[in-house]
Amino acid sequence: ETGVTQSPTHLIKTRGQQVTLRCSSQSGHNTVSWYQQALGQGPQFIFQYYREEENGRGNFPPRFSGLQFPNYSSELNVNALELDDSALYLCASSLAGSSGANVLTFGAGSRLTVL
Amino acid sequence: GQNIDQPTEMTATEGAIVQINCTYQTSGFNGLFWYQQHAGEAPTFLSYNVLDGLEEKGRFSSFLSRSKGYSYLLLKELQMKDSASYLCAPLGRRALTFGSGTRLQVQP
Repeated sequence: ETGVTQSPTHLIKTRGQQVTLRCSSQSGHNTVSWYQQALGQGPQFIFQYYREEENGRGNFPPRFSGLQFPNYSSELNVNALELDDSALYLCASSLAGSSGANVLTFGAGSRLTVL
Repeated sequence: GQNIDQPTEMTATEGAIVQINCTYQTSGFNGLFWYQQHAGEAPTFLSYNVLDGLEEKGRFSSFLSRSKGYSYLLLKELQMKDSASYLCAPLGRRALTFGSGTRLQVQP
């Protein structure tokens, strides 16, 4: 089975720009969660998608938005980038309704630098 | 909301045993996870406790006390490759909330 893949792995943007990060979930998984991890910190929950709908959201402003597609892949969009948005963005997939429903499989992340 | 407290750094010797503690306050508790994260890599799942007590999986064990809001991860027979950050993560109603992690350094 293939794991979670994210793209791009690294990118640099300037303040005010917009960014789209992409994630392909692990084969057989139907739920995608996005996390932001600042240097030296634990991952912070942004939101979760299930059946193409947002299924929970953390303490992030509306300029963080997402999509889930019928093949369960997902996008994270961030508008009006700020310097503090510089972080590693992690995508994690899981299978809702299974005995291991809450076990997240993480991708390697997209490292965003905002200048 | 959820508050999670775990030591920032720990150092141990190869072959020894180390215990990483975690205390948490959470609403809608549905279990506690431990993840391992090597520098520059994705977190990987280690263990999940939903009931009180000890769960053992090879060299790693995890303990949970729901009434005390307390968990620990026990690593036995430490190896150099165990040098990593260990993330305590209680599961709320919708998502895992991660602590800042404990950076473990295993020395020869």
